[in-house]
Amino acid sequence: AQKVTQAQTEISVVEKEDVTLDCVYETRDTTYYLFWYKQPPSGELVFLIRRNSFDEQNEISGRYSWNFQKSTSSFNFTITASQVVDSAVYFCALSGTYKYIFGTGTRLKVLA
Amino acid sequence: KAGVTQTPRYLIKTRGQQVTLSCSPISGHRSVSWYQQTPGQGLQFLFEYFSETQRNKGNFPGRFSGRQFSNSRSEMNVSTLELGDSALYLCASSSGQGSGSYNEQFFGPGTRLTVL
Repeated sequence: AQKVTQAQTEISVVEKEDVTLDCVYETRDTTYYLFWYKQPPSGELVFLIRRNSFDEQNEISGRYSWNFQKSTSSFNFTITASQVVDSAVYFCALSGTYKYIFGTGTRLKVLA
Repeated sequence: KAGVTQTPRYLIKTRGQQVTLSCSPISGHRSVSWYQQTPGQGLQFLFEYFSETQRNKGNFPGRFSGRQFSNSRSEMNVSTLELGDSALYLCASSSGQGSGSYNEQFFGPGTRLTVL
């Protein structure tokens, strides 16, 4: 069975702090994709990144970075020097042979 | 390109009624997926359509149904509404062949359904 676990329900940080959002997944598929989405207060989910199961290279995009480790079945997301605009709910998702499975989300609050 | 649009944005219904929600995907996208989002259950997959065919279905009762038209627009219908159906219903479209599972999804703003 496929499963995505985001154990952190809510995280609060002060602006400019670094924060890491954890994502652990389970799947029996050998080919799969992992995703992160952001849902700001406005409600519309926004795609952030996709990573396939054969590509364990970490990725950095501005203040965002992602660490994919197949050995621990994790795909963690780090925001460096957080800003108030980063406040949102972040979802990790897994897709394999069939449908997307989303984690329950982590609500990030960045305080000024 | 215009994004994914969903209508209506807000809906209030009473128990026992039925409701139809509409989704227009991004132009050129042939895969449309529907999700139910609630505070307690998070984002739960309802179904996915590709080229007018239902490809995948989540674990929802038969009261939840959908369809896709030849222009890729999709509708979902919920019959005999229950209080627990109150949720944000999200539609997402994606490009590519076959199932949209491997592609990033582009979400609409959602339809907030309240069942009284």
